[in-house]
Formats: sequence, C-alpha cells, structure tokens
Amino acid sequence: QVQLQESGPGLVKPSETLSLTCAVSGYSISSGYYWGWIRQPPGKGLEWIGSIYHSGSTYYNPSLKSRVTISVDTSKNQFSLKLSSVTAADTAVYYCARVFIGSGSLDYWGQGTLVTVSS
Amino acid sequence: EIVLTQSPGTLSLSPGERATLSCRASQSVSSSYLAWYQQKPGQAPRLLIYGASSRATGIPDRFSGSGSGTDFTLTISRLEPEDFAVYYCQQYGSSPLLTFGGGTKVEIK
Repeated sequence: QVQLQESGPGLVKPSETLSLTCAVSGYSISSGYYWGWIRQPPGKGLEWIGSIYHSGSTYYNPSLKSRVTISVDTSKNQFSLKLSSVTAADTAVYYCARVFIGSGSLDYWGQGTLVTVSS
Repeated sequence: EIVLTQSPGTLSLSPGERATLSCRASQSVSSSYLAWYQQKPGQAPRLLIYGASSRATGIPDRFSGSGSGTDFTLTISRLEPEDFAVYYCQQYGSSPLLTFGGGTKVEIK
C-alpha cells in the first residue's frame, strides 16, 4: 500500500521560506511516476504547485514558479517543497501526492499539513 | 491558461436521488486526462474517476464519468449518506500542467 506523509513546520513567518518534506512508503520513488505538491487555502479549492519525476525533472505552476523549488531524494524515498518569500496568502493545507502518468490523475495523497504564515 | 468551471456550486439533494455535476473547460481537454475527486471535511481528496470515465480502485459503480472536449460530467446514480461531500474535476496536460475546477458541494436537502 502506497503511503505519503507530509512533515514540516506548521508556522512560518512572512518573507521566510516554507519547507516541507513528503516521505513515501510502500513504493520506491526511483521506480517511476511523478510526485506532486498541491495546496488548499482554508475554505477554498485546490491549487497545483508543481511536480517532480524521480530523475529530477520538474514542472511548476507558472503562478508560483518564481518562488518554488521541488527536489527529490531517492536514497530517502522522499521529495521536498520550498516556497520562498511567503505571505499570508500562502496559508494553506499542503498535500503531497503521486501523479499517475498514464492519466495525469493523483492516485495517492498524503493526509495534508496546515502551514500558517504569520508573525 | 486553461480554466475548469464546475457547476452548480452547490447541489442540494436527498439520499437516493441522482446527482449530476458538470465540469466545463475553457479549451479542449484530452479525455485521457480528466479526473474527478471527492473530498470530505478534514480529509485529503480521493480519486474517483480518471480518463474521464474509468473508476479508480474501490470506487462503487454508482459513480460514473462521461464527456469529451470541453464538457465533462460526474454522475452519482443514487446518493448514499457518505456521498455528501465536495467534488473537484482536474485536467492534466495544458498550461498550467495540472488544474482543478472550483468544486461542487453536494449537500443534504
């Protein structure tokens, strides 16, 4: 059974960098698939942040591209998100997920972690 | 930039009734890359339908998807109490690479 688990600080100060990690179990990232980050502001809809392949190839949402870095560590079977220069608008539940390449759908999700941007 | 518009915003129905949810794209989407998700409060979204009409593993057959081009539909044939939730459509392939619709809330009437 594929499982994903997000971890990282729940509170980040404005202008600082948000950093999250997604640990994957039950499947080796090196075996394939894209892996992605999605966020959901409180009470709002879903927004794709970006995705990464096990080789390190990345795709980012153009609206966030200048502030986002997604990386992968196959030795630890995890991938990470960094979002720089955060503001209150970046307050959201952040999810990691596996992207099923054949359909572009997200077939396994982490439980999500709430990150609040506040001083 | 592709935009997915879901309608209605809220659907008020009773258990046992049929639910029809719409997802309209601002430009053509490959049917292979249109998915639907269910999200309940405090939970991550769950994949229901991929490739516009294929049910994900473990999804009951009362859920069905259809459509092509710019118009897609999720149908729940007979609503069960556990089906009251928010539903999102999602496309893959057009810029941005992955986009979600704004969601439809199915609530108990």
